Amino acid sequence: GDSVTQMEGPVTLSEEAFLTINCTYTATGYPSLFWYVQYPGEGLQLLLKATKADDKGSNKGFEATYRKETTSFHLEKGSVQVSDSAVYFCALRGSGYSTLTFGKGTMLLVSP
Amino acid sequence: DAGITQSPRYKITETGRQVTLMCHQTWSHSYMFWYRQDLGHGLRLIYYSAAADITDKGEVPDGYVVSRSKTENFPLTLESATRSQTSVYFCASSPGLAGANTDTQYFGPGTRLTVL
Repeated sequence: GDSVTQMEGPVTLSEEAFLTINCTYTATGYPSLFWYVQYPGEGLQLLLKATKADDKGSNKGFEATYRKETTSFHLEKGSVQVSDSAVYFCALRGSGYSTLTFGKGTMLLVSP
Repeated sequence: DAGITQSPRYKITETGRQVTLMCHQTWSHSYMFWYRQDLGHGLRLIYYSAAADITDKGEVPDGYVVSRSKTENFPLTLESATRSQTSVYFCASSPGLAGANTDTQYFGPGTRLTVL
């Protein structure tokens, strides 16, 4: 079945540091890929998505590129802020399916 | 304000009791989902629904029951709560499959359930 593997956290960074959170997936066909973010005490919200190979999703300074050859969708941001502290989830939706498969989440802690 | 709401936000119950968690959305989205979030497991799908009166099992359905008589509501019932069902439960909705952003899931704020 489909699966998503993302790096374990917490990831601890200083403000303005470069962020990478790795995500790899296993799926048949051509899944859509997502990054969701969960701020403390809240539900998840969509951060960005990509629906086909080589697509780049971007939002709020975050980017991720759909790499089919490496089955990856790594999340990056050039300069993190304290307000980016949250849990980040990578997810996929298989072709023709309505449900999402989530990774276990990566906590990001950014200090001033 | 329009959106997706869950109630109660916090619930403490005892083993063996029946508990119902409510979920309501105002967008008339076709799809609705229930997840549980546990440390070390991320989010796991319990049940989902493609439309009123259509429901299907997810990854971890045992011990849970759902119904969807109206498009906007999707209650989750624990028929006889167990300690292993202590978790944070999230409801989500989605417009559908095709087109830009129609497969985006919108999450409620969650219900923290403790079973003693």
